Amino acid sequence: QKEVEQDPGPLSVPEGAIVSLNCTYSNSAFQYFMWYRQYSRKGPELLMYTYSSGNKEDGRFTAQVDKSSKYISLFIRDSQPSDSATYLCAMRNSGNTPLVFGKGTRLSVIA
Amino acid sequence: KAGVTQTPRYLIKTRGQQVTLSCSPISGHRSVSWYQQTPGQGLQFLFEYFSETQRNKGNFPGRFSGRQFSNSRSEMNVSTLELGDSALYLCASSAWTSGTNEQFFGPGTRLTVL
Repeated sequence: QKEVEQDPGPLSVPEGAIVSLNCTYSNSAFQYFMWYRQYSRKGPELLMYTYSSGNKEDGRFTAQVDKSSKYISLFIRDSQPSDSATYLCAMRNSGNTPLVFGKGTRLSVIA
Repeated sequence: KAGVTQTPRYLIKTRGQQVTLSCSPISGHRSVSWYQQTPGQGLQFLFEYFSETQRNKGNFPGRFSGRQFSNSRSEMNVSTLELGDSALYLCASSAWTSGTNEQFFGPGTRLTVL
C-alpha cells in the first residue's frame, strides 16, 4: 500500500459543478496537508495548506482534513474551465520532512 | 519577485550519458528540494538542500546526486542515464521561516533518455 492514495481520474464535470477530490493516507504521523494544482507543462502551484484536522476555505476552494479517518478532501465550488488541471495532494510529518505526494487527479471542466 | 527558475527546460540524452540540471530558487529562499515526476510513479522526492547541506534524501540510487551553492542555487546530476530516468524533474524552494515550510515549484526540466 502506498503512503498516499489518490484516484487518478480523469474526472470530467460541467461548468458550475461542485468538484470533490480526495486522498487517503496510511501514515498517522502526517500533520501538514496540501493541495497543489498543476497545469500541463507547468510545475505544481500551491492551492491550499492545512495543519492537522479541520477545514480551510479560500474563495471557491475548501480543504478538509479528517485525521481520524486519514482522509483529506478538496472541494471546488462553481467550477470553471480554467480549473481544468491535475490536482495533487501532498502531506508531511513536520516542516522539515519531505513532502509525500499522491499521483494526482486529472480534472476537466467542460463549458 | 521572480519565481523558481530551472534550466534547461528540455533535454534529450542517450543511455549511459550524464546530465546536470540547474535550479535558481526564489530570492531569499535557502531550501531547495528536487523531485522526479513520471506518469507511473507520480512525484517522488529526490533530495533537499538547506544552506549547502543535504538535509533529506529520498529512495533513489547513488547515480542521482545534488549540491547547493552559497547563493542557494542548486544543481542535480544523474550519471549513467537509463531509459527509466526519462521524467520531468522539478525543483522547489522554500523560505523555511516557519513550521509550514511552503514549497514553490519551478516549471521543471523535461529529460528524455533515448
